Amino acid sequence: AQKVTQAQTEISVVEKEDVTLDCVYETRDTTYYLFWYKQPPSGELVFLIRRNSFDEQNEISGRYSWNFQKSTSSFNFTITASQVVDSAVYFCALSGAMIKAAGNKLTFGGGTRVLVKP
Amino acid sequence: EAGVTQFPSHSVIEKGQTVTLRCDPISGHDNLYWYRRVMGKEIKFLLHFVKESKQDESGMPNNRFLAERTGGTYSTLKVQPAELEDSGVYFCASSQGQQGSGYTFGSGTRLTVV
Repeated sequence: AQKVTQAQTEISVVEKEDVTLDCVYETRDTTYYLFWYKQPPSGELVFLIRRNSFDEQNEISGRYSWNFQKSTSSFNFTITASQVVDSAVYFCALSGAMIKAAGNKLTFGGGTRVLVKP
Repeated sequence: EAGVTQFPSHSVIEKGQTVTLRCDPISGHDNLYWYRRVMGKEIKFLLHFVKESKQDESGMPNNRFLAERTGGTYSTLKVQPAELEDSGVYFCASSQGQQGSGYTFGSGTRLTVV
């Protein structure tokens, strides 16, 4: 069974502070994908990143960066110099990567609400 | 390319009524998934279609929920009769391959049962 844990339910920061969101996962799959999604107040799910389990390189995209540590089963997400527009709920998710008839559903964590105050 | 479209965006119904949610996936995407987020909890998988066939419906909570995908195009999710605990946001996603990649989510339908 797959499981994703986001221990932080809510984080409040002041604009320009950095914020790191933790994500710990469990899976028996040898290959898998890890994802981060953002859900702004408008409600839609916005894809941020997908990481293959074979690729442990950290990634940076603008103010966003991700730290994948396979040894600790963690895939943490950092927003640098946060802005008010970053206020949202952020979800970490996991799916298998093998091609199989049943497909690969996503297992989500509980989400972390980030509130960035001006 | 048009994204995944869901409607209605919001629905408020009384307990015991029937509601039908619709999802139009990206054209050409064989895989269509339904998920829901209830009461601020995690987003949970409901079911997965490959074309018109139900590939995995292990997440469907009970027999009050019925999903269909006519001709492998759009999908509907009917809740009949709706209960208070069905309130939440229902998301649809589609993807082209069977690997866990390339998911595109719709904007969701916020269902409120009163």
